[in-house]
Amino acid sequence: TQLLEQSPQFLSIQEGENLTVYCNSSSVFSSLQWYRQEPGEGPVLLVTVVTGGEVKKLKRLTFQFGDARKDSSLHITAAQPGDTGLYLCAGYSNSGYALNFGKGTSLLVTP
Amino acid sequence: SAVISQKPSRDICQRGTSLTIQCQVDSQVTMMFWYRQQPGQSLTLIATANQGSEATYESGFVIDKFPISRPNLTFSTLTVSNMSPEDSSIYLCSVEFRGNEQYFGPGTRLTVT
Repeated sequence: TQLLEQSPQFLSIQEGENLTVYCNSSSVFSSLQWYRQEPGEGPVLLVTVVTGGEVKKLKRLTFQFGDARKDSSLHITAAQPGDTGLYLCAGYSNSGYALNFGKGTSLLVTP
Repeated sequence: SAVISQKPSRDICQRGTSLTIQCQVDSQVTMMFWYRQQPGQSLTLIATANQGSEATYESGFVIDKFPISRPNLTFSTLTVSNMSPEDSSIYLCSVEFRGNEQYFGPGTRLTVT
């Protein structure tokens, strides 16, 4: 099993602050995906990164895939209460069809 | 992407009974997946359900406990059999698009008493 470790596990910040969460592994992934899950809902796909060194932006969210394709980061600029949720990274296993999920970063943004 | 619905959205069941969860997709998909998310935990893949073949189960999950049906390209069911409190979880189905992206249903929150 290819393990994905996410840090921090919990993060509580005030509206307007910036933050970065991390997703690390000792294994190489062909791609990594980031999801956000709100209470009572299923995870919603935010982005897929495929190329080593790739940077993708989604409004105030910036995603980066490490050069060696073993790690990824998510940076949120000027966080808002609507960003509150569980952020999960996931990568496909060697079998090619099973997604391995990290344990997630639970983010709380207070007004 | 796809619109994925699950029924029921939540249920409270007694120990020893079984519950069947339905997953409906608004377009035809080859691969559907069933995950479990225990309280405060991340997602764990239970099995992959392909139409026309037996489901493929991950380590730690067996067909007798989690039988799966996949009668067509838009529908699947997962049954949680002979339930115990340890089966209390959120059960999620997902589908794969564009080869490397999975989209999830809203989940079924199961509580076993």
